[in-house]
Amino acid sequence: QKEVEQDPGPLSVPEGAIVSLNCTYSNSAFQYFMWYRQYSRKGPELLMYTYSSGNKEDGRFTAQVDKSSKYISLFIRDSQPSDSATYLCAMSPIQGAQKLVFGQGTRLTINP
Amino acid sequence: GAGVSQSPSNKVTEKGKDVELRCDPISGHTALYWYRQSLGQGLEFLIYFQGNSAPDKSGLPSDRFSAERTGGSVSTLTIQRTQQEDSAVYLCASSPQRGGGETQYFGPGTRLLVL
Repeated sequence: QKEVEQDPGPLSVPEGAIVSLNCTYSNSAFQYFMWYRQYSRKGPELLMYTYSSGNKEDGRFTAQVDKSSKYISLFIRDSQPSDSATYLCAMSPIQGAQKLVFGQGTRLTINP
Repeated sequence: GAGVSQSPSNKVTEKGKDVELRCDPISGHTALYWYRQSLGQGLEFLIYFQGNSAPDKSGLPSDRFSAERTGGSVSTLTIQRTQQEDSAVYLCASSPQRGGGETQYFGPGTRLLVL
């Protein structure tokens, strides 16, 4: 079993829809949770960053962390064609290994 | 300012040949990471450099893989006697500080194809 599980999709939704992307994890030591967006033939770029449990909102994006369920989510409101990309969750423990553990990535397409 | 740069962008090589991939991190960033991204897979950690400390090589898949970082800046990832399963995108990232959860800034990657 992988440390971080993420449905690879692909996921295709119409413009304006609310998108929900999710990851589950098994390591209870994870404290930092990130979402990266990766456009085709580009490197990942940090989209959202949260520490421990709770919600964080940034414009049309909301990140949620539920540590009791070991489950994180990224919501995109009023989705736009420019949101079409692969979304990767990543996480890290508070101490110890510096490397991030990534999910497989979900490929998202927003149709005009 | 300039982001993380990697070269070459694409590399096609024959099985058994050695390849060198280069990463120029963001100036002043002390931490540097190498990841591998295979088709349809997430990012697989390879190696981590932090300042003058010994690198964390725990992710290197075999002794054919090695990496060095000269002068705390530029890094080179070397794959000896390449195999077809080495075909992937190799991503480099740098970070300004040490500690769990630090933001990593990624380069565009080198696409390696081993024939």
